[in-house]
Amino acid sequence: NAGVTQTPKFRVLKTGQSMTLLCAQDMNHEYMYWYRQDPGMGLRLIHYSVGEGTTAKGEVPDGYNVSRLKKQNFLLGLESAAPSQTSVYFCASSYSPFSGGDQPQHFGDGTRLSIL
Amino acid sequence: KNQVEQSPQSLIILEGKNCTLQCNYTVSPFSNLRWYKQDTGRGPVSLTIMTFSENTKSNGRYTATLDADTKQSSLHITASQLSDSASYICVVSAGYQKVTFGTGTKLQVIP
Repeated sequence: NAGVTQTPKFRVLKTGQSMTLLCAQDMNHEYMYWYRQDPGMGLRLIHYSVGEGTTAKGEVPDGYNVSRLKKQNFLLGLESAAPSQTSVYFCASSYSPFSGGDQPQHFGDGTRLSIL
Repeated sequence: KNQVEQSPQSLIILEGKNCTLQCNYTVSPFSNLRWYKQDTGRGPVSLTIMTFSENTKSNGRYTATLDADTKQSSLHITASQLSDSASYICVVSAGYQKVTFGTGTKLQVIP
């Protein structure tokens, strides 16, 4: 039972390079989320999706783009990486909106990204 | 501004002992409050979810309480085990997709 799978697990980029982080879930969840986790701060929402073909901005969307072409996949792109984007990125999915109901969010194990 | 503050920042306890972690929030309007456990190098895992009308919810040795009047929650861990060593994160929701995460309490259980 895979749950939420994130690839890659680690990556080092140079400033200005681009890359895409992949998140896949096998629970048929409608809602998917991308967060970043920085030392001394709580997780912050970057973008989210409420279903296939939809995306919406979260709290810290600048510098990131997302796509949800298939229900099970949610991609996070960095167009021109900056050192400030060094972080651990977590993907999550849920059956209902995180803000309501009693269904939990399921998180992947994160992608550790360093921008030099 | 919605805020979630957790205390203590870190805690060391002996195996077998109990402990209580605190979460104070200023989130409005309140939708629900969740506690997550995050092992080092892993993603958060849900422990409990509480809505406005719930005062207490248990999940094995974990018991969460909620006082919506004082905007406080606590997570009590009974008979701690080495595997309880982790960060515990309090998360409060305020309306559709408006979620605030606390910075977590790092718990270390030592033999």
